[in-house]
Amino acid sequence: EVQLLESGGGLIQPGGSLRLSCAASGFTFSNYAMNWVRQAPGKGLEWVSTISGSGYSTYYADSVKGRCTISRDNSNNTLYLQMNSLRVEDTAVYYCAKDPSSNTAAFRFDPWGQGTLVTVSS
Amino acid sequence: DIQMTQSPSSLSASAGDRVTISCRASQGISNYLAWFQQKPGKAPKSLIYAASSLQSGVPSKFSGSGSGTDFTLTISSLQPEDFATYYCQQYHTYPPTFGPGTKVDIK
Repeated sequence: EVQLLESGGGLIQPGGSLRLSCAASGFTFSNYAMNWVRQAPGKGLEWVSTISGSGYSTYYADSVKGRCTISRDNSNNTLYLQMNSLRVEDTAVYYCAKDPSSNTAAFRFDPWGQGTLVTVSS
Repeated sequence: DIQMTQSPSSLSASAGDRVTISCRASQGISNYLAWFQQKPGKAPKSLIYAASSLQSGVPSKFSGSGSGTDFTLTISSLQPEDFATYYCQQYHTYPPTFGPGTKVDIK
């Protein structure tokens, strides 16, 4: 069974940095692209970033480009999202999601982790 | 970016009702469309991909149709566990985008 477990969320002041992690199990991690999707409180879903299975290709939403870096450690089956220069509008639950189809970015999301809440506030 | 719209934004229905949710893309996306179900406080769950392919383990009361710009999610007989918010998402064109959601609640 695929399991995705996010961690690293919390309360952070505007301008601060945070690194989110997603521990994966139940599949060959390096064979699949991975994604981050976020959901602001009471709002809809917003794609944030995607990384290919090898880690060589990365993609970012305009809203986070230049402030966030997605990476992965295929030896430890872990996905990361380094978030810098955080803004109030980055407040959201951040979900990691596996691409069910391939190691290249197909921008499909299944399954999802339970999410980790990031709150940016002074 | 491709804009996704959904209608209605919310609906009230009774157990046993047949429910239809529409999703429209601002430009053609072939069949590169997925549907997700999200219950309060929970992560989204994939229901359908490629517009009409049922995800493994998803009951057959859920069905999807459409191609191009207009898509539909149908729940054939609504059950208490189906009351949730439903999102469509296109993965035809980068960046991937989601619809705003349709909340299905109890009449």
